[in-house]
Amino acid sequence: KNEVEQSPQNLTAQEGEFITINCSYSVGISALHWLQQHPGGGIVSLFMLSSGKKKHGRLIATINIQEKHSSLHITASHPRDSAVYICAVSLAGNQFYFGTGTSLTVIP
Amino acid sequence: ETGVTQSPTHLIKTRGQQVTLRCSSQSGHNTVSWYQQALGQGPQFIFQYYREEENGRGNFPPRFSGLQFPNYSSELNVNALELDDSALYLCASSSPDRGGGYTFGSGTRLTVV
Repeated sequence: KNEVEQSPQNLTAQEGEFITINCSYSVGISALHWLQQHPGGGIVSLFMLSSGKKKHGRLIATINIQEKHSSLHITASHPRDSAVYICAVSLAGNQFYFGTGTSLTVIP
Repeated sequence: ETGVTQSPTHLIKTRGQQVTLRCSSQSGHNTVSWYQQALGQGPQFIFQYYREEENGRGNFPPRFSGLQFPNYSSELNVNALELDDSALYLCASSSPDRGGGYTFGSGTRLTVV
């Protein structure tokens, strides 16, 4: 059983499409993180959320603490958005759990 | 403001050997976390160091150990390497005193043969 579940596992979109990646978790958390991983492994931290909504450029992240659910949205998707997007949760006591990632391919 | 640097970028070791991986934290960050990412999987938390002391550990055996130095850089040591230790090892630094955002390194890809 995985404490963090992401969907979909793989996603292919046409350039310009609106994209949503979902994350559900089953444990009490202190924060939820959305990460972007490019081929080769380097990871970029996109958002850290404990409530509400955050926006950065074309990326929007929301979290519903009561429902233990978060979404990452990408507006006006672009081929350079192609990457693996990972949802991770941090718990009190510094334990972390990661989802297995959503592989996004945006086609020109 | 420098990012997180990991070394080496790639490494091949033989089963039974020992390995040391290194991570320099971002300037101003006093916390370093290590993660193991097997192919096709999400990262798994190994442990975290805060001000030179381990303050959290995932489900990894004692042959995975670490150190954090006064400049907040860190080492991950793995003894008695096994084939299943082949993975990407990621390091991330953060500062709970500054809101806790994480900066990841590019990782060290370890292959055990």
